[in-house]
Amino acid sequence: SYEVTQPPSVSVSPGQTATITCSGADLGTRYVSWYQQRPGQSPLLVIFEDSKRPSGIPERFSGSNSGDTATLTISGTQAVDEADYYCQAWDRNTMVFGAGAKLTVL
Amino acid sequence: EVQLVESGGGLVQPGRSVRLSCTASGFTFGDYALGWVRQAPGKGLEWVGFIESRPYGGTTKYATSVKGGFTISGDNSHSTAYLQKNSLQIDDTAVYYCTRVVVGGIGSHCDYWGQGTLVTVSS
Repeated sequence: SYEVTQPPSVSVSPGQTATITCSGADLGTRYVSWYQQRPGQSPLLVIFEDSKRPSGIPERFSGSNSGDTATLTISGTQAVDEADYYCQAWDRNTMVFGAGAKLTVL
Repeated sequence: EVQLVESGGGLVQPGRSVRLSCTASGFTFGDYALGWVRQAPGKGLEWVGFIESRPYGGTTKYATSVKGGFTISGDNSHSTAYLQKNSLQIDDTAVYYCTRVVVGGIGSHCDYWGQGTLVTVSS
């Protein structure tokens, strides 16, 4: 079955750029989505179809996908962005989630 | 406003069954696929399966990685999707989320999520 891999944790200073990666075989041939999950909350879609932002998601969130790696970039990271981030691909009618990356803003 | 509201969770004994409901509002229920995702305490997101939209026949598809026993169904007249699990085991303990699924050719995503309902399997 298809798998995607994320780093377990990423740290960033406030105001800096956070980069969270998601790796999988030929991932660039599939659309990737990203979800933010704050403690005690439901996941929230922040990027879909590699780089599109849903309405209401700040412009500081952006995404890209090429080759074997998709990337979520948060520019000007704020304390409120501290959360778990999950990447997700689609394989044979199944959603494949990464294990999640905990973003710490310190 | 799109809303998904889950219900039916609680404390369940091992070996028993549970039926979760997801009531949708703010969109035409039959026009979208609805999926279920679970999250064990302190763990990541795990795809359970989904029910296709009415134009695609309302068929159901399940994750192969999830140990069987799940049944997803839908009631268009009540804008409600259901997830049933028989023979519950301890490791079925999780928050179960209902999601609206946008299904595409090379990718699908969950654009709206419910608040989740906690199922605790314990004797």
